[in-house]
Amino acid sequence: QKEVEQDPGPLSVPEGAIVSLNCTYSNSAFQYFMWYRQYSRKGPELLMYTYSSGNKEDGRFTAQVDKSSKYISLFIRDSQPSDSATYLCAMSGATNTDKLIFGTGTRLQVFP
Amino acid sequence: NAGVMQNPRHLVRRRGQEARLRCSPMKGHSHVYWYRQLPEEGLKFMVYLQKENIIDESGMPKERFSAEFPKEGPSILRIQQVVRGDSAAYFCASSSYQETQYFGPGTRLLVL
Repeated sequence: QKEVEQDPGPLSVPEGAIVSLNCTYSNSAFQYFMWYRQYSRKGPELLMYTYSSGNKEDGRFTAQVDKSSKYISLFIRDSQPSDSATYLCAMSGATNTDKLIFGTGTRLQVFP
Repeated sequence: NAGVMQNPRHLVRRRGQEARLRCSPMKGHSHVYWYRQLPEEGLKFMVYLQKENIIDESGMPKERFSAEFPKEGPSILRIQQVVRGDSAAYFCASSSYQETQYFGPGTRLLVL
């Protein structure tokens, strides 16, 4: 069993839709949770960064962490074609300088 | 405010040659990480370094791979006697104690 599971997609939605991306994990020691966006042949770009459980909102993006269920989510409101990319969840342990464990990424396609 | 810089962006080597990948962290960051991304796979941690110290090398292959982060200059990931299976995108990330990891654009290594 992988430490972090993420549906690879692809996920195809119309412009303006609400997108829900999810990851599950098995290691209860994870404390820091990140979402990165990666465009084709580019480096991962940090979108959201949360510590422990709870919600965090930044513009059209909302990150949720449910440590009791070992489940994290990223919601994208009013999705745009420019949101088309691969979304990677990542997490780390006791400190934010620990190595990151990544999901395999979900490929999102937003069509006009 | 330059981000994480990596060079070269593309590197072609023949089997048996050496590959040297360079990474300059963001200004103010003293922690450097290397990750590898194989085609259609997520990012896998390789090594975590601070200036002149290897902190965690649990993801490094036991042979042919080495990394350093000298007191002066960039961090270097060295792959000796490359094989076709080393073809991948290699990403460097940097952080500080207060921030999570920010990634560079990557070096795409192709072994012929």
